Amino acid sequence: KAGVTQTPRYLIKTRGQQVTLSCSPISGHRSVSWYQQTPGQGLQFLFEYFSETQRNKGNFPGRFSGRQFSNSRSEMNVSTLELGDSALYLCASKTSGEPTDTQYFGPGTRLTVL
Amino acid sequence: AQKITQTQPGMFVQEKEAVTLDCTYDTSDPSYGLFWYKQPSSGEMIFLIYQGSYDQQNATEGRYSLNFQKARKSANLVISASQLGNSAMYFCAMSPNFGNEKLTFGTGTRLTIIP
Repeated sequence: KAGVTQTPRYLIKTRGQQVTLSCSPISGHRSVSWYQQTPGQGLQFLFEYFSETQRNKGNFPGRFSGRQFSNSRSEMNVSTLELGDSALYLCASKTSGEPTDTQYFGPGTRLTVL
Repeated sequence: AQKITQTQPGMFVQEKEAVTLDCTYDTSDPSYGLFWYKQPSSGEMIFLIYQGSYDQQNATEGRYSLNFQKARKSANLVISASQLGNSAMYFCAMSPNFGNEKLTFGTGTRLTIIP
């Protein structure tokens, strides 16, 4: 069974641009969560989608948005990029909305903002 | 708000020895879940072990066990008989309402196993 895949793996953008990251969950998984990992702030929860609906949201500005498609694939978008958005963005999926389901993480997308 | 504290930035342990990674937490929620994840240099987070706040017994998964002391608000990870493959970053995390969702992570401990 294929794991969580994230594309692209590496991305370089400049300040002011926008970026879209993609996450394909494990087959059959309907919940997708996104996390940001930076050296300064560590790992922080961005948002979770389940059955195309945002179920949980972290404390990030509105520049960070996401969506989920009917096939459970998810995208996150960051508009008006800032230097501080440079980070590893991790996606995680789990089977259902059951809270105790194990989350499986992808390898991440490393975004560098110049 | 939930908070996780990991006070050991780095640890060096001899192969085959046991190692304890410290984790303390703070929350006002009566129900919560505690997790440990491993992050090798590849970046992928690997789930290791889970403890619910009402679980009476400490969780175990193979060579991993979670030493849960609720009164002290600690959830230390114990790795028995460490192996070279255990070298990685280890993160303690917690979630509201037992759920494996909306995780709050600690700053991590970099564990290096010495042959």
